[in-house]
Amino acid sequence: QSALTQPASVSGSPGQSITISCTGTRSDVGGHNYVSWYQQHPGKAPKLMIYDVSYRPSGVSDRFSGSKSDNTASLTVSGLQADDEADYYCFSFSSSITYVFGTGTKVTVL
Amino acid sequence: QVQLQESGPGLVKPSETLSLTCSVSGGSIDNYYWSWIRQPPGKGLEWIGWIYYNGITNYNPSLKSRVTLSIDTSRNQFSLKLSSVTAADTAVYYCARYGLGSQKYFDYWGQGTLATVSS
Repeated sequence: QSALTQPASVSGSPGQSITISCTGTRSDVGGHNYVSWYQQHPGKAPKLMIYDVSYRPSGVSDRFSGSKSDNTASLTVSGLQADDEADYYCFSFSSSITYVFGTGTKVTVL
Repeated sequence: QVQLQESGPGLVKPSETLSLTCSVSGGSIDNYYWSWIRQPPGKGLEWIGWIYYNGITNYNPSLKSRVTLSIDTSRNQFSLKLSSVTAADTAVYYCARYGLGSQKYFDYWGQGTLATVSS
C-alpha cells in the first residue's frame, strides 16, 4: 500500500495561515473519517494534533484544524507561530487493514 | 497519564535479529492495540505492525516475513523482533498505543530508540 501524498514543504510568515494536504484513495482517506495528524519536532516523538478528521485532543491549540473532501484531508494552522515549525504527518485507517502514514510535510516559519 | 518506554540494543549486526521491548506504565495494556512504528534517519514514518492484548497481530505486508510481535500482559510489556536485518532497517523505532473501535489513531508514543545495523 502506498503512502498518502503530502507536499514536501510548506512555509508561511508568523501570524499567517497554512494548509497541508493529504491525498489518498477511496480505500483510506476517502472511505472513512479516521484521518489523524501528527506534529514532530526534530529529535522528538510524533504528537497527535487532530483525530477523526477534525477533532482536537485536549491541550492542542485551536489554531490547528482539520477537514476532508473526497480523497483529500487537510490540516490548517492559523496564526502561525515559531513553535509550529516541525514536520507534519497524516495517517488514515484503511479498509485493507494496513496502516499508512503520509509522506510528511516540513513546515517552515519564515 | 499513560507512558511508553522503548528499550533494547542500539547496535545490531547485519543478518541478525533486532529485539526491542516497550514498557507501558500509567494504564493497563488491556483493550488496546499496541504498535511499532519506525523512522529511518531523515525519512518518514512507517507502520510495522500491531498486537492486541490477546495476542492477535497485524503486520505491514512489506515486513511481515521478518517481524514477530509478542505481548506480556502480566508485565505490561510488548516486544518486537525483526530478523535478517540490513542497513535499511536502521531507524528510530517507536512504540505507540492505537485505540479500539472508533479510536483509530495513535494517542500515546514512546520517545523512540535508535537501532543501528552495522558490523
